[in-house]
Amino acid sequence: EVQLLESGGGAVHPGGSLRLSCAASGFTFSSYVMSWVRQAPGKGLEWVSVICASGGCSYYADSVKGRFTISRDNSKNRLYLQMNSLRAEDTAVYYCAKEGSSGIVENWGQGSLVTVSS
Amino acid sequence: SYVLIQPPSVSVAPGKTARITCGGDNTGSKSVHWYQQKPGQAPVLVIYYTTDRPSGIPERFSGSNSGNTATLTISRVEAGDEADYYCQVWDSSRDHRVFGGGTKLTVL
Repeated sequence: EVQLLESGGGAVHPGGSLRLSCAASGFTFSSYVMSWVRQAPGKGLEWVSVICASGGCSYYADSVKGRFTISRDNSKNRLYLQMNSLRAEDTAVYYCAKEGSSGIVENWGQGSLVTVSS
Repeated sequence: SYVLIQPPSVSVAPGKTARITCGGDNTGSKSVHWYQQKPGQAPVLVIYYTTDRPSGIPERFSGSNSGNTATLTISRVEAGDEADYYCQVWDSSRDHRVFGGGTKLTVL
């Protein structure tokens, strides 16, 4: 059974940093593209970033480009999202996502809440 | 950047058919995926590649796509289908994923 378990969320002041982690199990992690998707309170889903299976390529939504960095450690079956220069509008539940082809999100984690507030 | 537009809400009586639309520039040329999200839960894939259903998703869920509009159709709607539904495509030109704004399905 595929399991994705996010951690590292919490409250942070504007301008601060936070690193999210996602522990993956139940599948061959190193073979899959992985993404982060977020959802602000009461709002819709917003794709944040994606990383290739090897870790050799990554892409970002315009709203986070230059502030967030996605990475992975295939030896530890872990996905990361380093978030810097956080803003109030980054407040959201962040989901770790396992992808299939054509950007299909086959599996979702339960989410980790990040709150940016002074 | 590519944009997908969904109606904020759709209401339907039990046993009837619900149709949720997803509009975008030449959406018909893209594969569209649909997700169901119930309150307090993570989304679940219900349709992929426009018309395919993952295992465990009832045949009542189906999809279509033509021109500038993709449609998720839920037949014989049940109370348990009440949820938010999101469409999604892969913007291959930028390797970005794009979600629609979501549609809240209310079962009357």
